[in-house]
Amino acid sequence: DAGVIQSPRHEVTEMGQEVTLRCKPISGHDYLFWYRQTMMRGLELLIYFNNNVPIDDSGMPEDRFSAKMPNASFSTLKIQPSEPRDSAVYFCASSLTPGTSRRMADTQYFGPGTRLTVL
Amino acid sequence: QKEVEQNSGPLSVPEGAIASLNCTYSDRGSQSFFWYRQYSGKSPELIMFIYSNGDKEDGRFTAQLNKASQYVSLLIRDSQPSDSATYLCAVGTGRRALTFGSGTRLQVQP
Repeated sequence: DAGVIQSPRHEVTEMGQEVTLRCKPISGHDYLFWYRQTMMRGLELLIYFNNNVPIDDSGMPEDRFSAKMPNASFSTLKIQPSEPRDSAVYFCASSLTPGTSRRMADTQYFGPGTRLTVL
Repeated sequence: QKEVEQNSGPLSVPEGAIASLNCTYSDRGSQSFFWYRQYSGKSPELIMFIYSNGDKEDGRFTAQLNKASQYVSLLIRDSQPSDSATYLCAVGTGRRALTFGSGTRLQVQP
């Protein structure tokens, strides 16, 4: 399996511009998570989906942030308008609902991340 | 109070020594506990998970869980310079989302 795929890997934009980050989860996984990581705040959960439905978006910092999952193999995180304080590494992760192997149920597999710089 | 707390370090140990990383959590309903390793500029990767009280060993790594005291630890035996990284403790409550600690930076000195 290719693992979780994220694009772009690096994004540099100017304040006020729209930014769209993309994620393809591991095939067959039914949970998808978006995280933001900064030195000051560590790894923060922004939102997560189950079977393409948003379950908890309480971590989304502001209305400028939105996320969608139109199908099981694709999700986007959009920031509009972007601000310098949004500069961070954004990770997407996926996991699988327990079947016969509950032991691995909560394990999340991370993508390589998108490093966003807003000037 | 943070939900998952870790000492930020750096924790410095000589090569071949045992590195001990600790984590405490606040939610008594927590059910699953994970250790992720993150190299600089890379994404977190799973090292171990543990669900039950006691020890769980996997190669040079041992995870220890004490639910009564609400702490989980990771021991790395025969530490190698390649173990130098940030170690993230993550806790799950059965609702799929994990809460991560801020991480402990480990430095293994050759």
